[in-house]
Amino acid sequence: DAKTTQPPSMDCAEGRAANLPCNHSTISGNEYVYWYRQIHSQGPQYIIHGLKNNETNEMASLIITEDRKSSTLILPHATLRDTAVYYCIVRLASGGSYIPTFGRGTSLIVHP
Amino acid sequence: DGGITQSPKYLFRKEGQNVTLSCEQNLNHDAMYWYRQDPGQGLRLIYYSQIVNDFQKGDIAEGYSVSREKKESFPLTVTSAQKNPTAFYLCASSQSSGNTIYFGEGSWLTVV
Repeated sequence: DAKTTQPPSMDCAEGRAANLPCNHSTISGNEYVYWYRQIHSQGPQYIIHGLKNNETNEMASLIITEDRKSSTLILPHATLRDTAVYYCIVRLASGGSYIPTFGRGTSLIVHP
Repeated sequence: DGGITQSPKYLFRKEGQNVTLSCEQNLNHDAMYWYRQDPGQGLRLIYYSQIVNDFQKGDIAEGYSVSREKKESFPLTVTSAQKNPTAFYLCASSQSSGNTIYFGEGSWLTVV
């Protein structure tokens, strides 16, 4: 099963871009990369996902390397409300079903 | 609005008592999940269900039980056999063949 590695913490100045890396070197060809974030004491919120191509939506951009072994979530203009734990996951296969598994993620602190 | 509803938000239990956490979804999702989160930690999978009347143990199923009698409901019972039940519990759902997981707002369980 593919696993992900993320730095435990990062910080970013308000208004600047936040670039959150994720390593998933054992990802298989048909596994997607997903990003979620969790604000304290709330349920995780979906941000974005991708397979091969870079993706962008109203919340963030996802850059996946050509070999798919790593990706970067970009928050283009971070605000204080973006302070949260960010999880990078891949869809794992278990008994024919995909079971989402979350690690500790990256704690992002956006400061004024 | 469609979503996942967990109740209660806060629950106190005396040692030796069983307690049931409710999870209801109106997203017409086939798959439902229960996760446990301890302070500063990631999410750990307790149980999951891909279809009505079927469920599988996750990584930390001991001391917990579930049922899936209806598609929209996946209650979790924390039994007295669970030695350290104080935690934040998250319910989630997804389409079996879909990509995105949706989470409820979580339930805080404290053993007093």
